[in-house]
Amino acid sequence: NAGVTQTPKFQVLKTGQSMTLQCAQDMNHNSMYWYRQDPGMGLRLIYYSASEGTTDKGEVPNGYNVSRLNKREFSLRLESAAPSQTSVYFCASTGTGKADTQYFGPGTRLTVL
Amino acid sequence: GEDVEQSLFLSVREGDSSVINCTYTDSSSTYLYWYKQEPGAGLQLLTYIFSNMDMKQDQRLTVLLNKKDKHLSLRIADTQTGDSAIYFCAVLSGYSTLTFGKGTMLLVSP
Repeated sequence: NAGVTQTPKFQVLKTGQSMTLQCAQDMNHNSMYWYRQDPGMGLRLIYYSASEGTTDKGEVPNGYNVSRLNKREFSLRLESAAPSQTSVYFCASTGTGKADTQYFGPGTRLTVL
Repeated sequence: GEDVEQSLFLSVREGDSSVINCTYTDSSSTYLYWYKQEPGAGLQLLTYIFSNMDMKQDQRLTVLLNKKDKHLSLRIADTQTGDSAIYFCAVLSGYSTLTFGKGTMLLVSP
């Protein structure tokens, strides 16, 4: 089991460029999440998907879109990157049972110049 | 919405006990978690407690929950330099969405 994997690990974009962050899990989990982590801010939820085919906004969704491609994969898209989106992005997933524990990927470090 | 607060920094000597505190606002929270983040890494689940429990012990880790005061603590016994990391308190609220505190940086000196 690889758990939760994310690609790429690092990315530098110029303002206005677009990109998609990929996330996949092999634990047959129903729910998946995207967070951003900024210094002194903890983790903030961007979007989540409670099951295949559904997505919902979290605390900070502006400037992002998501796609739950299938049960395994949940992608995060920045259509027109801004410097304020410089952050570390984490994907997580959870199944039912075991206290709804969320398992996290290793993160993508994104810099927007 | 839910608000989760933690102190930002704790410094201890190797071998001492560390206590990291957390307060939250939503009294209907069901599960409360402690995650550890080492530099450059993702979040690793350390332990969790269900809201109907007062205490949970797991090797060197002890979690105490005071539901009346909405206060959660993590005690690490015999703290080691390898315990140096950022520790996040997280509370389950709504439909399986977690609210995180800003994290407590634990620095363990030899």
